[in-house]
Amino acid sequence: GIQVEQSPPDLILQEGANSTLRCNFSDSVNNLQWFHQNPWGQLINLFYIPSGTKQNGRLSATTVATERYSLLYISSSQTTDSGVYFCAVEDGGSNYKLTFGKGTLLTVNP
Amino acid sequence: NAGVTQTPKFRVLKTGQSMTLLCAQDMNHEYMYWYRQDPGMGLRLIHYSVGEGTTAKGEVPDGYNVSRLKKQNFLLGLESAAPSQTSVYFCASSLTSNIQYFGAGTRLSVL
Repeated sequence: GIQVEQSPPDLILQEGANSTLRCNFSDSVNNLQWFHQNPWGQLINLFYIPSGTKQNGRLSATTVATERYSLLYISSSQTTDSGVYFCAVEDGGSNYKLTFGKGTLLTVNP
Repeated sequence: NAGVTQTPKFRVLKTGQSMTLLCAQDMNHEYMYWYRQDPGMGLRLIHYSVGEGTTAKGEVPDGYNVSRLKKQNFLLGLESAAPSQTSVYFCASSLTSNIQYFGAGTRLSVL
């Protein structure tokens, strides 16, 4: 099956700093989503982005499908950005099944 | 509009006991999914459904059964719980195969 690798595994920032999270995948994809899991365990969809660039406030994401990677940018980080960020992909023949990476644990200190 | 609701939120079982986790969505979504999340790992798909009356196996289906008798509900059953099934279980739903919306999770411990 498709492989999803996220980097870095852990990231510690001071409030106000910027960061870039990366997601590499091993095959072409129909679907790529970024999720944020907050410290209470809730999973929130951030972006549906199988290709191109999207922005939502301080967050933006870019997927370069031909090179099989996606980037999540967090600008002017806040303590509420802390949590685990997951990349999940659906390959072309998977019938709607998302494969998740292991996530990036982000800690934003005040 | 509650979104995706999972019941119960917490449960402790003894090895060999059975239980059913309920997932309910009020968004009229066709697709529903059950995942498990283990420490330090991403979510892994257990079973999924592409519509009322349908179910299919995901990545880690062994030891679980599911049913989708009504469009809004997706049940996950453990017939004989094992310690290896200690995990956090998430249900999700989607209108198409695009954006999935997740419930708050069920934390299950099997002793």
